[in-house]
Amino acid sequence: AQRVTQPEKLLSVFKGAPVELKCNYSYSGSPELFWYVQYSRQRLQLLLRHISRESIKGFTADLNKGETSFHLKKPFAQEEDSAMYYCALSGSYGKLTFGQGTILTVHP
Amino acid sequence: DGGITQSPKYLFRKEGQNVTLSCEQNLNHDAMYWYRQDPGQGLRLIYYSQIVNDFQKGDIAEGYSVSREKKESFPLTVTSAQKNPTAFYLCASNTALNTEAFFGQGTRLTVV
Repeated sequence: AQRVTQPEKLLSVFKGAPVELKCNYSYSGSPELFWYVQYSRQRLQLLLRHISRESIKGFTADLNKGETSFHLKKPFAQEEDSAMYYCALSGSYGKLTFGQGTILTVHP
Repeated sequence: DGGITQSPKYLFRKEGQNVTLSCEQNLNHDAMYWYRQDPGQGLRLIYYSQIVNDFQKGDIAEGYSVSREKKESFPLTVTSAQKNPTAFYLCASNTALNTEAFFGQGTRLTVV
């Protein structure tokens, strides 16, 4: 079975502070991992995926197979980063499994 | 304007009624998905389809049914057997295994 766990439902930081959104997964094969973001009144959209190894809007995420983690990080949070963030795993047959989501609030 | 369109945006249902949520995409994607979004529970997979005329149950399929008669359409029916249907429903699609999924704007269903 494939499972994604995001332990924090809510995360609050001040502008300019570092932020880390945690994601742990369970999957027996080689997973494809993603971070999706949902800004207020917008549809859910892809933020980044582990295979591209790129930084989007200052966010990065590294797949750690030993710890089965895919934490999302940003060194200096901005107010516009406030949103709901979902970690997702694509496993067998392209089935996409999401975590519970983390609401990030960046205070001015 | 390409993308995924869900309709209606808001839907009210009386107890005991079946309702159908529409999902249409013009992205030429093979795979389509239905998720349910509840506060604190994230997105849970209801049904998914990798190809026309074929679909599989997700993690919470009970009380729901789908069809995939056309590549661009994947309607979801919420039946009276679904005990707690009030939720936000999201439809998604992608091209092949392990690629970016595109989402619709969602339908908020309320049982009155």
